[in-house]
Amino acid sequence: AQTVTQSQPEMSVQEAETVTLSCTYDTSESDYYLFWYKQPPSRQMILVIRQEAYKQQNATENRFSVNFQKAAKSFSLKISDSQLGDAAMYFCAYWPNFGNEKLTFGTGTRLTIIP
Amino acid sequence: GAGVSQTPSNKVTEKGKYVELRCDPISGHTALYWYRQSLGQGPEFLIYFQGTGAADDSGLPNDRFFAVRPEGSVSTLKIQRTERGDSAVYLCASSISNTGELFFGEGSRLTVL
Repeated sequence: AQTVTQSQPEMSVQEAETVTLSCTYDTSESDYYLFWYKQPPSRQMILVIRQEAYKQQNATENRFSVNFQKAAKSFSLKISDSQLGDAAMYFCAYWPNFGNEKLTFGTGTRLTIIP
Repeated sequence: GAGVSQTPSNKVTEKGKYVELRCDPISGHTALYWYRQSLGQGPEFLIYFQGTGAADDSGLPNDRFFAVRPEGSVSTLKIQRTERGDSAVYLCASSISNTGELFFGEGSRLTVL
């Protein structure tokens, strides 16, 4: 079974600075998707960024980028120019490309932005 | 509405009671998921529907939990003989693709006293 591990329960960053959230996963598959989802206090989970395992290029969405290391099974999220609205729980998630169609989430990292 | 709608937003019940949680997915989304999120944890998969049928119910913790989606749109998660350990936020999500891009509702917070 796939597992997703987030070893940082809490992180904080100064507003406008850069922060990196860590995620590792375990799978025997070669083709899959990885995600970062954001959950603000409103509870609604929102997709931040997606990475397809067969693509070597790291995904980027505006201030959000990932460092995908397939061999190491590592998938970190970098947030540049942190803003107060970035404060939330961040969940790393795994999706297999074939069969077993469900997201497996990590335990999350609570990000605090310091004004 | 444009997003996934879940009702009730909050539900307080007594141990042993029956509870129904409703999810109205985004129109046209054929896939619907239920997850359970305990305090300080990541969401845990409960059940997945493709259309009207449950494609995977391996996450349901026991036979007190049941979910239906009779017309392939709205889904109801049913919990019988609730226990204090059932207290959690129940998240619903829908999807039109099979690439893991799920659209979540705001969840139903269940508290069992």
